[in-house]
Parts: sequence; structure tokens; C-alpha cells
Amino acid sequence: SQQGEEDPQALSIQEGENATMNCSYKTSINNLQWYRQNSGRGLVHLILIRSNEREKHSGRLRVTLDTSKKSSSLLITASRAADTASYFCATDTGFQKLVFGTGTRLLVSP
Amino acid sequence: GAVVSQHPSWVICKSGTSVKIECRSLDFQATTMFWYRQFPKQSLMLMATSNEGSKATYEQGVEKDKFLINHASLTLSTLTVTSAHPEDSSFYICSARDEWTSGFYNEQFFGPGTRLTVL
Repeated sequence: SQQGEEDPQALSIQEGENATMNCSYKTSINNLQWYRQNSGRGLVHLILIRSNEREKHSGRLRVTLDTSKKSSSLLITASRAADTASYFCATDTGFQKLVFGTGTRLLVSP
Repeated sequence: GAVVSQHPSWVICKSGTSVKIECRSLDFQATTMFWYRQFPKQSLMLMATSNEGSKATYEQGVEKDKFLINHASLTLSTLTVTSAHPEDSSFYICSARDEWTSGFYNEQFFGPGTRLTVL
């Protein structure tokens, strides 16, 4: 399977804490994208990092990419209850398709 | 931002019936649309890629006669689950891509999903 893997599978933290989730993938990529999915809903695009970038920020989000290790991490700082959702990484290998990781379920408690 | 809608948002049907799900890009022209399937607490699995005016490309293991895809216009793609059975119950999500704005970076815009329950 080409599917990437994410860890942890589930993460439970308190509001105000930081949340870090990791994504590993198997093939060369053009870019890697992170998405959020609230329960039973569609996906929301969070951030895209290109293969020649190592780090990217967007608001409370920080994404890193290490192409030598084929891995990426998503850090959410100062988490809020509204951040509770599933988070997926998705790799674009250049054939139009996105290959999604297994996802991390994040629970942020007030 | 680009908006993609799906209809219906949920559907319950009897085993053996066919169900059609629509995916529309509301404010852009979608040269390519994708159909995904998601089981509870699992990731999205790509089923097929459809390009406007041509036949869909199905992923390995996806039955093209079971899941009929029609991308008849630049704003509409439909997925028809034919002779549905309980094992087809799932969350179906479409996404759309505008070649002219997505360009090299393959940004896709996702619909809200359709929950199909087959009794």
C-alpha cells in the first residue's frame, strides 16, 4: 500500500497545550498537504509544504518536512477545544492523486 | 474560496437499489474531480479520478461497473452506486481541482461528503 502512516493514532490534550502529529510516507513527493476533518464532515485544507521547503507556518500551525526521512510533522500551538478533529497528511506524487495518511484523532479538552 | 457541494448529504436505501451522488463545484470549473471512500475512523481511499468529457480512471480493486462515474460538465460529477449492498455503506467524499489555479501544486477542494447506508 502507498498509504502514509500517522502517529499517534489518537492524541488527547488540554486546552492551551501544543499538539504534535507525525506523518511518514513511502515515495518521492511534489508536496505534502495537511487536512482537518471534523466528525462526519468533509476535509478542510490547512497547509501545503513543497518538497523543497523544510518548514512552513500558518497562524498556530507549524509544519516541517524532512524528505530524507520521508516524514512531516504538524504542530498546533496553544490548542483550543475547537481544534478537536481528525488530521490527515496527504502526499502529492505528481500524478494528480493525493495519497492520504491514516490520520490522527485529536481531542482537546477544555 | 473554492466551494464544492455534494448532494445528498445522507441517504438510506434498500439493498439492490441504485443511488446517485452529485458533486458540484460552485464557483470554479473543475477540470478534474476525485471520488473517495471513507470507512468509520479510517482514512480516505481514492476510488477514481474523473476528467471532464472522458472516462474515469479507477483505482485498483474498485469495480467500475459497480461505481459509475460521469463527469459531464466542468461543474458536475456524479457517482452512482449500482445494486447497492450493505457492504457499500460508507462515507463518500468528492474533491475537485481546477487545473488553471491549482497548477503544479494539486490543491483539491473537498465536498462535505455523503453518508450512504444500505439496509
